[in-house]
Amino acid sequence: NAGVTQTPKFRILKIGQSMTLQCTQDMNHNYMYWYRQDPGMGLKLIYYSVGAGITDKGEVPNGYNVSRSTTEDFPLRLELAAPSQTSVYFCASSSQGLSTYEQYFGPGTRLTVT
Amino acid sequence: DQQVKQNSPSLSVQEGRISILNCDYTNSMFDYFLWYKKYPAEGPTFLISISSIKDKNEDGRFTVFLNKSAKHLSLHIVPSQPGDSAVYFCAASPNAGKSTFGDGTTLTVKP
Repeated sequence: NAGVTQTPKFRILKIGQSMTLQCTQDMNHNYMYWYRQDPGMGLKLIYYSVGAGITDKGEVPNGYNVSRSTTEDFPLRLELAAPSQTSVYFCASSSQGLSTYEQYFGPGTRLTVT
Repeated sequence: DQQVKQNSPSLSVQEGRISILNCDYTNSMFDYFLWYKKYPAEGPTFLISISSIKDKNEDGRFTVFLNKSAKHLSLHIVPSQPGDSAVYFCAASPNAGKSTFGDGTTLTVKP
């Protein structure tokens, strides 16, 4: 049971490039989330999903896209990368959004846009 | 408008003493509160939670207290150990399961 895995661990992008951050969970959780954490700040919710085929925006969705074709995978797409997207990105999952609030986090992807 | 605030960016305590981390919230719709612990270069891990129907929840050395009228919660760690040195995030959730996080408090426990 690997929990939540994220790839890559580190990435440097040039301004205007695109990339996909991968996230997979093997706990059969229905809820999945993407957060970003800027230095000295808390976690800001980018997008979340309550199940396969259902996604919704969080606090800071601009510049990102997501899809959820399976229960296990929740990739985050960055189009036209900008320096403001330099951050650490965390994927998380939880079992029942209404009754179990505890989230399980991946190890993070550190992204630098230059 | 930050709905979950951790006003102390850092806290330093001596090993064996009590650590008290504080968190304030503004949204009355929050009904579930969680604390996460984060080590450098790792993702946050769940530590302890409390429902709004309770005012205290205990798990070993960790106790969370909730004061709904003051919209305030606190995490007590007794006794503190060097391995507790980490960033602690407070989070709050309404019924929908999404969590809003505070900015974190860095706890340093000195041997």
